[in-house]
Amino acid sequence: GEDVEQSLFLSVREGDSSVINCTYTDSSSTYLYWYKQEPGAGLQLLTYIFSNMDMKQDQRLTVLLNKKDKHLSLRIADTQTGDSAIYFCAGRITGNTPLVFGKGTRLSVIA
Amino acid sequence: DAGVTQSPTHLIKTRGQQVTLRCSPKSGHDTVSWYQQALGQGPQFIFQYYEEEERQRGNFPDRFSGHQFPNYSSELNVNALLLGDSALYLCASSYRASYNEQFFGPGTRLTVL
Repeated sequence: GEDVEQSLFLSVREGDSSVINCTYTDSSSTYLYWYKQEPGAGLQLLTYIFSNMDMKQDQRLTVLLNKKDKHLSLRIADTQTGDSAIYFCAGRITGNTPLVFGKGTRLSVIA
Repeated sequence: DAGVTQSPTHLIKTRGQQVTLRCSPKSGHDTVSWYQQALGQGPQFIFQYYEEEERQRGNFPDRFSGHQFPNYSSELNVNALLLGDSALYLCASSYRASYNEQFFGPGTRLTVL
């Protein structure tokens, strides 16, 4: 089955760009997602990308997909203190299958 | 527009007891999926309910069961609680059994002593 790996921690200065990385094992993964979880809260869907895309941009967020290396990244431009949270990468293969989540990357933004 | 709501927010139980968690989906959604998020881990899929039936199930024992009501709300029941069941239980809603664009609730924090 699918397995999703993420680095656990990232620390950046306010105003810098953050890049959160994720690798997945199943090359059949069709949909790849980024979720944000703030302390004491549920998960907020930030963006998702289909496997037939290489890049998706949405305001300060840019998702890059390298299918050959099974690598997904989330870039947050002009990172703010309000971006401090845990970011989860998740993937699912084609058809109606549930999401498989990574363990999450804790982003700390230093003012 | 109300999002996904869950109750209770926190719950403390002892080993061997039974617990029921509740979820109301986002307006317009008819599908509820349940996830378990242990401390420091990502959410793990428990099961999905659509049209009042369990449609898919993750790798969880039969102690975990659920129900969906005609108004699309759902319950998660866990019997014979173990210490390892301590976790944040998340409910996610979507439309027509899809896993795309799931909206998550704030979760119920279950502590088993």
